[in-house]
Amino acid sequence: GAGVSQSPSNKVTEKGKDVELRCDPISGHTALYWYRQRLGQGLEFLIYFQGNSAPDKSGLPSDRFSAERTGESVSTLTIQRTQQEDSAVYLCASSQYTLLGGGSTDTQYFGPGTRLTVL
Amino acid sequence: QKEVEQDPGPLSVPEGAIVSLNCTYSNSAFQYFMWYRQYSRKGPELLMYTYSSGNKEDGRFTAQVDKSSKYISLFIRDSQPSDSATYLCAISLRSYGQNFVFGPGTRLSVLP
Repeated sequence: GAGVSQSPSNKVTEKGKDVELRCDPISGHTALYWYRQRLGQGLEFLIYFQGNSAPDKSGLPSDRFSAERTGESVSTLTIQRTQQEDSAVYLCASSQYTLLGGGSTDTQYFGPGTRLTVL
Repeated sequence: QKEVEQDPGPLSVPEGAIVSLNCTYSNSAFQYFMWYRQYSRKGPELLMYTYSSGNKEDGRFTAQVDKSSKYISLFIRDSQPSDSATYLCAISLRSYGQNFVFGPGTRLSVLP
């Protein structure tokens, strides 16, 4: 079946502009994550949505960052007044809580990411 | 001290070699250990998952967790050029939610 898709795949913008990144999760997945991946660094957690619960926004680096999700479908990550340090690959993942030998897990399926470059 | 440390490489090996990839972590409370493979311009994909200590084998891949040393390893036997990718370790306190901490990844090249 279809995996997680993200758009656009690449985005080049000027400093100070707003950008909107989109994630289409796997159908039926209740959880959705946004991560930021800077060159040579690990994935940095940004925000977590689980069903209809209030999202966990603890990873958002500043109030310029916000995200929304409509029900258990599409999510958008918005970065306002972009800065050069926002340049990174933004990854979205979705998951469905499952039992997996020896314990339960929340296997995350990642999209290909959006490569954001802020000039 | 970073929560998870991983040698970024790059690591180059000849085809057929045994590859050892490693991560160390600082918080002994972590219980869930994962290895992800990330091909260039793609998102990470889950390769191996281990709960608590011990070994887990899946085909040519073996994951090991040593909680006493706070050290996790991924071994790849009979490495293939198609194994060339970046390998990220991830650890977590819980099996779900925002607790996943990822290492920076080790870039592996398997030369034919």
